[in-house]
Amino acid sequence: GQNIDQPTEMTATEGAIVQINCTYQTSGFNGLFWYQQHAGEAPTFLSYNVLDGLEEKGRFSSFLSRSKGYSYLLLKELQMKDSASYLCAAFDSNYQLIWGAGTKLIIKP
Amino acid sequence: GAVVSQHPSRVICKSGTSVKIECRSLDFQATTMFWYRQFPKKSLMLMATSNEGSKATYEQGVEKDKFLINHASLTLSTLTVTSAHPEDSSFYICSARDGDKGGDTGELFFGEGSRLTVL
Repeated sequence: GQNIDQPTEMTATEGAIVQINCTYQTSGFNGLFWYQQHAGEAPTFLSYNVLDGLEEKGRFSSFLSRSKGYSYLLLKELQMKDSASYLCAAFDSNYQLIWGAGTKLIIKP
Repeated sequence: GAVVSQHPSRVICKSGTSVKIECRSLDFQATTMFWYRQFPKKSLMLMATSNEGSKATYEQGVEKDKFLINHASLTLSTLTVTSAHPEDSSFYICSARDGDKGGDTGELFFGEGSRLTVL
């Protein structure tokens, strides 16, 4: 079956760095997404990786290893507004999005 | 970036009534729109894929007669929850793919979501 695994919850301190991991098992693979979702709101797009390696975009970076079925989202210089759920999702061979359950990130002062 | 507008953002209705939720792509043409349902602290559950000018493709377990989807134009898709019951209360979210912009990256643009409460 198809599956996305990511931690349920993580806690970090304001100003610090946090890495949210995601492993995936899909029928075929056409890229991996990270979305941010604040409570009561719809998700917003953060990143898309289809090739191995690290993509940096400001304070956020996303990494992909296709051979390992593994990705991570790296958040630097954490701010209180970064408190949200972070959803990992992968495209399968039919470009259907398989969603993880999300990682709730709690930022403490 | 591309904008998807969803309306209404919140709706409260009585059991047995029908509720229509609209999803509009404001600055691009969306040949494909997706409807999701999300329960508290749960991931997004894809309900159906809506293609302009054709019947929607429903995911397994989703009642097509209960959740009517119409994608009449390239910028509008609607989800109608028919004869709503309290168990239909949820957060419904639409998304659209801009084939011209996001097609290469597959980026989805999400609406703001609609919170349905059925009394």
